[in-house]
Amino acid sequence: GENVEQHPSTLSVQEGDSAVIKCTYSDSASNYFPWYKQELGKRPQLIIDIRSNVGEKKDQRIAVTLNKTAKHFSLHITETQPEDSAVYFCAACHSGNTPLVFGKGTRLSVIA
Amino acid sequence: EAQVTQNPRYLITVTGKKLTVTCSQNMNHEYMSWYRQDPGLGLRQIYYSMNVEVTDKGDVPEGYKVSRKEKRNFPLILESPSPNQTSLYFCASSPRSPSGVLKNIQYFGAGTRLSVL
Repeated sequence: GENVEQHPSTLSVQEGDSAVIKCTYSDSASNYFPWYKQELGKRPQLIIDIRSNVGEKKDQRIAVTLNKTAKHFSLHITETQPEDSAVYFCAACHSGNTPLVFGKGTRLSVIA
Repeated sequence: EAQVTQNPRYLITVTGKKLTVTCSQNMNHEYMSWYRQDPGLGLRQIYYSMNVEVTDKGDVPEGYKVSRKEKRNFPLILESPSPNQTSLYFCASSPRSPSGVLKNIQYFGAGTRLSVL
């Protein structure tokens, strides 16, 4: 089955700097890669996703890149703000066939 | 309002006392799932259900049961809870596209924090 590794487990950045979180997956059949943000005491919420037919997707200050050959994908947050502080989870699956498999999460702290 | 509702939100119980955590969604989603979240371990899937009367084990099913008698409800049952089941539990649901393909975007409930003494 699918296995998703996520790094780093914790990340601290200064406000205004960029943050990058990286994930690798094991199943070459996986074709859907979402990212979830979980604020303290709240539920995970989808912030961005990418499918295997594209290499990059952007939504304002966040972007996700996918390298199918290397089987890794990354979340990029630019101009970080204190409200970006949260735990971020990557996930992977073969859309339509298999459940999502989550990484262990990255705790991002943005220091004002 | 479209939502996934879990109850209770907080529960303290003792070892061996059967309990049920309910999950209900009002979005007519076919797919429902239970996760547990533990520090450093992320979200681990306990059980999932692709549709009514169809359930499958996730990564950590031991000690748990589920049922899916109706589309909207997916209760999580702990027949004999143990302290290692102390955790934060999330229920989630996902829709299918008109063509029947699972969309995989998960809508999470607010979570149930369970302590087993």
